[in-house]
Amino acid sequence: DSGVTQTPKHLITATGQRVTLRCSPRSGDLSVYWYQQSLDQGLQFLIQYYNGEERAKGNILERFSAQQFPDLHSELNLSSLELGDSALYFCASSGGTEEGVPYEQYFGPGTRLTVT
Amino acid sequence: GIQVEQSPPDLILQEGANSTLRCNFSDSVNNLQWFHQNPWGQLINLFYIPSGTKQNGRLSATTVATERYSLLYISSSQTTDSGVYFCAPRRYSGNTPLVFGKGTRLSVIA
Repeated sequence: DSGVTQTPKHLITATGQRVTLRCSPRSGDLSVYWYQQSLDQGLQFLIQYYNGEERAKGNILERFSAQQFPDLHSELNLSSLELGDSALYFCASSGGTEEGVPYEQYFGPGTRLTVT
Repeated sequence: GIQVEQSPPDLILQEGANSTLRCNFSDSVNNLQWFHQNPWGQLINLFYIPSGTKQNGRLSATTVATERYSLLYISSSQTTDSGVYFCAPRRYSGNTPLVFGKGTRLSVIA
């Protein structure tokens, strides 16, 4: 068990809909990352938050957004869903401080999204 | 951005065999992680290895950052080793995103 939790485990929805994926980082970790794993694109970084603020952006579509709350959990919102958004969405977290912590990322179990 | 190439893409082993998986990266990196994705999709941390060699049971890893590659050794493979192995370097220091290779799919048969 990595200590990172994600809900729900599975989500089936229709095209055009909006969903919210939730992630709780490991205790003490301030940084949360979202990654998408699809058959054609592999594992891609989407977005990172650090202590409530956006830190880095990757290949995230404009239809997608995220936020990190004061209790450090994060949510990824996916809207106007398309068939191609079907994928496994991972959340990861890493080190609580900038000094003396190796920044190793630990991944949650993922949310499998199926858009029909 | 940094390019990550893993080889071989697929590998089939008889139980008990040894193997070496390779990861090449196109630019200097601050650190590198190896993961095993099991058949249920879970990403399991194997090594966090910026340079040098680390060992954990039947697995070991070596990173030569100056030559831009890392190797994962699996000895006496078991069927539970099956899955996809990913190399993921990190370009910058601190809490920064990982860049994943496409992985090596390993099947260990009894």
